[in-house]
Amino acid sequence: DTGVSQDPRHKITKRGQNVTFRCDPISEHNRLYWYRQTLGQGPEFLTYFQNEAQLEKSRLLSDRFSAERPKGSFSTLEIQRTEQGDSAMYLCASSFSGVDTEAFFGQGTRLTVV
Amino acid sequence: QQQVKQSPQSLIVQKGGISIINCAYENTAFDYFPWYQQFPGKGPALLIAIRPDVSEKKEGRFTISFNKSAKQFSLHIMDSQPGDSATYFCAASRTNRDDKIIFGKGTRLHILP
Repeated sequence: DTGVSQDPRHKITKRGQNVTFRCDPISEHNRLYWYRQTLGQGPEFLTYFQNEAQLEKSRLLSDRFSAERPKGSFSTLEIQRTEQGDSAMYLCASSFSGVDTEAFFGQGTRLTVV
Repeated sequence: QQQVKQSPQSLIVQKGGISIINCAYENTAFDYFPWYQQFPGKGPALLIAIRPDVSEKKEGRFTISFNKSAKQFSLHIMDSQPGDSATYFCAASRTNRDDKIIFGKGTRLHILP
């Protein structure tokens, strides 16, 4: 296993279109996180899963955002009716649950809404 | 409400010098404090982490100092090298509640050759 993989790496879309991103975590990890990072800012928490259960969803996540992790493996993050303010880097991370666990990040998907 | 406050926003240090980045937190329930390093075009990567039961942790040239009463912790990079030029994020988590990681806004560090 080579780490957390995200696809695509870059996405340019027109305002109003829907986009979907995929994250493949490290295979043994039961915890999967989605973060959003804008230029010059730290990663902002969006949502996280333990296995297939979505444990928490940030208030930052409007109804246009939805995430799934079927069967507790890969995850998808969908943004409907994209807006220019959605332009950001979307980061996925995975870890084991519990104490002293390191979260491993993927390289992110850079979304540009034009 | 920003739960983890980081300073400075940017830092320039001469090669061989000491780089110091500071963080303050509000939630006393946090029990895990990692520092992440991020290079352009890459995701953040764990650098070093500390729990509040120790006041200092050292790994190579990187040291975390932790002050539980002040709710502050800092990263010291000794003998800073140009390869250390990156963005550094402090973070905090409540692992006893299996909670998410909260990040600071980051410090862009530049080491002059």
